[in-house]
Amino acid sequence: DQQVKQNSPSLSVQEGRISILNCDYTNSMFDYFLWYKKYPAEGPTFLISISSIKDKNEDGRFTVFLNKSAKHLSLHIVPSQPGDSAVYFCAAPGEAGSYQLTFGKGTKLSVIP
Amino acid sequence: EPEVTQTPSHQVTQMGQEVILRCVPISNHLYFYWYRQILGQKVEFLVSFYNNEISEKSEIFDDQFSVERPDGSNFTLKIRSTKLEDSAMYFCASSQGSQPQHFGDGTRLSIL
Repeated sequence: DQQVKQNSPSLSVQEGRISILNCDYTNSMFDYFLWYKKYPAEGPTFLISISSIKDKNEDGRFTVFLNKSAKHLSLHIVPSQPGDSAVYFCAAPGEAGSYQLTFGKGTKLSVIP
Repeated sequence: EPEVTQTPSHQVTQMGQEVILRCVPISNHLYFYWYRQILGQKVEFLVSFYNNEISEKSEIFDDQFSVERPDGSNFTLKIRSTKLEDSAMYFCASSQGSQPQHFGDGTRLSIL
């Protein structure tokens, strides 16, 4: 049951360039999405979120885009920095009234100096 | 910045033994959660807790599992009789409202 899918297990990007991480979802009832970043031996850290009433949310170097018709969201990091190297998870809470997060499998981003 | 703390960082237990994983959520948060991540797999929801009772639980959270908030600061996950397949990272999380949830660094549970 993969309601949230991250189809790229890894991504390598040069420092200073843009990193684009993708996420697809199947449940059209999802109306809120979150991105988490995870370093080894640490827990997931909340990065940025987006509500389905928006198609873009920006916070500094991080921008999340939502395309509801395609059931697709993406996280853009620009410019990428070596400290951004981590595993990035896309997540969505369940249907109305549910707080449980459904996570994607994650994408490991490596930013090369 | 306030954070969720979990102890111990690593727990090794014999199969069939009981284990208690401990968490101190962020102090003004009202919602508490446990998730687990088996090596190489997704982070999976186990249970959520609000107002001193379970609000949601997944199919994984069977009768072997229980949660408790014994005092005003701790939130615990107990596994009554551990199995080999319980070996995983267990993450505690808390939130003020529904989202975002803030996670601890996890407890690595190894069942021998």
